[in-house]
Amino acid sequence: DAGVTQSPTHLIKTRGQHVTLRCSPISGHKSVSWYQQVLGQGPQFIFQYYEKEERGRGNFPDRFSARQFPNYSSELNVNALLLGDSALYLCASSPGHSNQPQHFGDGTRLSIL
Amino acid sequence: AQRVTQPEKLLSVFKGAPVELKCNYSYSGSPELFWYVQYSRQRLQLLLRHISRESIKGFTADLNKGETSFHLKKPFAQDEDSDLYYCALSGLAGNTGKLIFGQGTTLQVKP
Repeated sequence: DAGVTQSPTHLIKTRGQHVTLRCSPISGHKSVSWYQQVLGQGPQFIFQYYEKEERGRGNFPDRFSARQFPNYSSELNVNALLLGDSALYLCASSPGHSNQPQHFGDGTRLSIL
Repeated sequence: AQRVTQPEKLLSVFKGAPVELKCNYSYSGSPELFWYVQYSRQRLQLLLRHISRESIKGFTADLNKGETSFHLKKPFAQDEDSDLYYCALSGLAGNTGKLIFGQGTTLQVKP
């Protein structure tokens, strides 16, 4: 079985642009969560989606948005990019209907110039 | 406030020595705690969770509610244990979709 897959693996953008990151969960998983990991720090929770509904949101500005599709894949969108948005963006999935742990993808490394 | 603290950024031990990676948490309800290892500074992989009480690669962790700790231990360090370890707390009761991570501890096993 494939694990959590994220695309692209690397991305370079300039300030003010917008970006869309994609995530495909493990087959059968209905919950997808997004995290931002700045260099040298632990991951910070951004969003959780379950059954296409937002279930949780972290302390991030409205420039960050996400959605989940009927096949449970998800997109994270970031508008008006700032230098501080440079980070590794991690996606994690879990079944969602029980206390099953999250499984993480390899992440998308976003660099803002 | 929900918080996870890993007081050591770097822990160096000799091969064969015991390992203890410290983790303290702050949470008002019944916590669910995890240890993840981040291989090559990228992929996060679950090492263990407190409710399963498993031992993975020789590592164990016991939840101490009195001391609000969930330290990761291994009796004898091996070369392959060198990596970055994160303690995490499930921030929503009954839902593991929101994890609160500590700052991470790099374990360095010296020959």
